[in-house]
Amino acid sequence: DAKTTQPNSMESNEEEPVHLPCNHSTISGTDYIHWYRQLPSQGPEYVIHGLTSNVNNRMASLAIAEDRKSSTLILHRATLRDAAVYYCTHGPPGAQKLVFGQGTRLTINP
Amino acid sequence: NAGVMQNPRHLVRRRGQEARLRCSPMKGHSHVYWYRQLPEEGLKFMVYLQKENIIDESGMPKERFSAEFPKEGPSILRIQQVVRGDSAAYFCASSLSFGREGTDTQYFGPGTRLTVL
Repeated sequence: DAKTTQPNSMESNEEEPVHLPCNHSTISGTDYIHWYRQLPSQGPEYVIHGLTSNVNNRMASLAIAEDRKSSTLILHRATLRDAAVYYCTHGPPGAQKLVFGQGTRLTINP
Repeated sequence: NAGVMQNPRHLVRRRGQEARLRCSPMKGHSHVYWYRQLPEEGLKFMVYLQKENIIDESGMPKERFSAEFPKEGPSILRIQQVVRGDSAAYFCASSLSFGREGTDTQYFGPGTRLTVL
């Protein structure tokens, strides 16, 4: 099963960038890196995924280290609505299950 | 385009009763996953189903829990003879295909919060 390490919590200010790190040193060569987030009292929400190259979408950017043993989720301008628990995980192509760690609880200050 | 739907959103049961949780996947999705989140804990995978088949049930407790995804209708997670330790949020997710484009994105429902008295 995927094993990831994330800080328990982080805090940032509104409209500032946020960099959320994740270590996944046991990742295998074909594993995809996934990021999900869970807003209070809601189900998890897909954020972004990648394999080797950095990825951008409307929600965030994903920066993947060259050795793929770590990645960083980047929220370019945090809003109060970005306050959530952010989970990173990894798994082989077409993985049937997601293995979540404890995630990072992100607090956004007005 | 409706997302993953779960009902009921809240369910209260007394010890020993049965709980039935329903999940309707997104339109066109034939893969369903169930996860459980105990209070103040992370999400744990329970079971992965395709239509009429259980593919991976490695996270399901060995007793009292069962899941199905019939040809017609929603997926059902059934918990028999509930105990207080079953109190949790149960989330269902669905995905479109199995590795067709390298990886599947799972889309989650709002969850069913089960309280066992």
